[in-house]
Amino acid sequence: DAGVTQSPTHLIKTRGQHVTLRCSPISGHKSVSWYQQVLGQGPQFIFQYYEKEERGRGNFPDRFSARQFPNYSSELNVNALLLGDSALYLCASVTGTGFFTTSTDTQYFGPGTRLTVL
Amino acid sequence: RKEVEQDPGPFNVPEGATVAFNCTYSNSASQSFFWYRQDCRKEPKLLMSVYSSGNEDGRFTAQLNRASQYISLLIRDSKLSDSATYLCVVNYTGTASKLTFGTGTRLQVTL
Repeated sequence: DAGVTQSPTHLIKTRGQHVTLRCSPISGHKSVSWYQQVLGQGPQFIFQYYEKEERGRGNFPDRFSARQFPNYSSELNVNALLLGDSALYLCASVTGTGFFTTSTDTQYFGPGTRLTVL
Repeated sequence: RKEVEQDPGPFNVPEGATVAFNCTYSNSASQSFFWYRQDCRKEPKLLMSVYSSGNEDGRFTAQLNRASQYISLLIRDSKLSDSATYLCVVNYTGTASKLTFGTGTRLQVTL
């Protein structure tokens, strides 16, 4: 079975530009979460989507937006890029309903997209 | 106070040693807990879920103390391949499942 896939793997942009990152979850998973990981820190929650609806949002500005498509793939968009947006962007595919309520519920990360803003 | 706190390390231990990491969390309503392992410049990989008081998987044992709001990870008989950053993760489910990560504890196992 294919794991979580993300594209592109690396991206270099300049300040003020816009970027779109893509993610395909594990087959059968309906929930996708996005995280930002800055060097030296743990991943920070940006969004969770389930069945194409935004279920939750972390403490990120409105420049960050996302959506989930009928095939459960997802896009993360970031407008007006700042230097501080340079990070590893991780997509996670979540089992079940996306709520970690049983011992078998878990989350699998994709390899990430490394974004550099110059 | 950070939601999830970990000692960043690094912990330098010889092969075969036993090492333990602690992690504290601030939200007493947190419901589920995980340890992830992250190798340099790679994505985090799930090491262990902790839904009750603890969990054991081979050389790895995780324990949860809800009263004191901490989780621990014990690694026995350390291998060189255990060298990585270990992320403590706490979940509070409100309208979304938001996993909150600690900054990680770096482990270096040496010969």
